[in-house]
Amino acid sequence: GENVEQHPSTLSVQEGDSAVIKCTYSDSASNYFPWYKQELGKGPQLIIDIRSNVGEKKDQRIAVTLNKTAKHFSLHITETQPEDSAVYFCAASDSAGNQFYFGTGTSLTVIP
Amino acid sequence: GAVVSQHPSWVICKSGTSVKIECRSLDFQATTMFWYRQFPKQSLMLMATSNEGSKATYEQGVEKDKFLINHASLTLSTLTVTSAHPEDSSFYICSARGRSGISGNTIYFGEGSWLTVV
Repeated sequence: GENVEQHPSTLSVQEGDSAVIKCTYSDSASNYFPWYKQELGKGPQLIIDIRSNVGEKKDQRIAVTLNKTAKHFSLHITETQPEDSAVYFCAASDSAGNQFYFGTGTSLTVIP
Repeated sequence: GAVVSQHPSWVICKSGTSVKIECRSLDFQATTMFWYRQFPKQSLMLMATSNEGSKATYEQGVEKDKFLINHASLTLSTLTVTSAHPEDSSFYICSARGRSGISGNTIYFGEGSWLTVV
């Protein structure tokens, strides 16, 4: 089955700096890669996703890149703000979406 | 994005009683719903996958007689924790996936339900 690894587990950045979270996956059949943000005591919220026919996707301060050959994808947050502090999870899924495999999460702290 | 509502958001129950948690997709039909359990500072642990109109598929190590899942309609799935014990206290989260072509294979999460068994 699929194995998704996520690094780092914790990340602290100064407000205004960029944050990068990386994930790798093992199953070449996976072709859908969402990222979720989870604030304390709440359910995860989808913030951006990418499909395998695209190498990069951007939405304002958030971007995701995908390298299918190397089987890794990354979340980039620019101009970080304190409200970006949360736990971020990456996930990988096949085209049917029957299984979503999650990374172990990255706790991001943006220091004002 | 699509909206998934979970209820209750917080529940306290006595040991030995049962508690039901509801997961509703508000603006799309969810052919598949997933139930997760999350411990503090840990990732999501998939408990079971339910497809509308059929029995849920449980992950290894999850007691199906203790965690009853019903997916009776395309917009509602329920998780019932039977004979709850303090060790069942946790954060339970559901997610829902729409039909192919509608929200694609994107899944959306509910807000989660905190269960405390005393």
